[in-house]
Amino acid sequence: AQSVSQHNHHVILSEAASLELGCNYSYGGTVNLFWYVQYPGQHLQLLLKYFSGDPLVKGIKGFEAEFIKSKFSFNLRKPSVQWSDTAEYFCAVDPMNTGFQKLVFGTGTRLLVSP
Amino acid sequence: DTAVSQTPKYLVTQMGNDKSIKCEQNLGHDTMYWYKQDSKKFLKIMFSYNNKELIINETVPNRFSPKSPDKAHLNLHINSLELGDSAVYFCASSQVRVDGELFFGEGSRLTVL
Repeated sequence: AQSVSQHNHHVILSEAASLELGCNYSYGGTVNLFWYVQYPGQHLQLLLKYFSGDPLVKGIKGFEAEFIKSKFSFNLRKPSVQWSDTAEYFCAVDPMNTGFQKLVFGTGTRLLVSP
Repeated sequence: DTAVSQTPKYLVTQMGNDKSIKCEQNLGHDTMYWYKQDSKKFLKIMFSYNNKELIINETVPNRFSPKSPDKAHLNLHINSLELGDSAVYFCASSQVRVDGELFFGEGSRLTVL
């Protein structure tokens, strides 16, 4: 079945460590890609998105993601995490590219950053 | 001003009851959505309305009935609640465009006892 996979379910890092969260999808054709973050007790917020152009996308709070079409991947990175990055991170794919946000989400990665 | 607001934030009810969750967005978007997040944090789309017209209706039991009185509001009514309906229900909105994005509400946590 077509899906979005996030292989790291839980990640624990110390402050200043580098972060990379994996995301793979199984849809062919043109897709739109997103990373959303859910801080404790808050709603989901968009971190970054990819539609076309430069495969290296920069988002808010120092996050970036790289779209590698040949690997069907859209991994999220941050060179140096902070305690405030503790949150749940969701990769999402819009496989229809219609403008309607019928997103397929991964199961999320819970990141805990210790001070 | 909250962009996408949902009420109530918490709802605890007995099996068999009927309940509603309301959603309003003040972003001027033309499309609204209901997503369900289960106990394992898995998010799945349920419905979407564009300018009051139902455009996405996933495989959801017909006990769930969305209603959109205008493009700024999307309500979710659930009949005969079951234990498996316990989840967090997120409302979201977007503007229909290829590079659009979802703006989520804070979620409504429904617990069915």
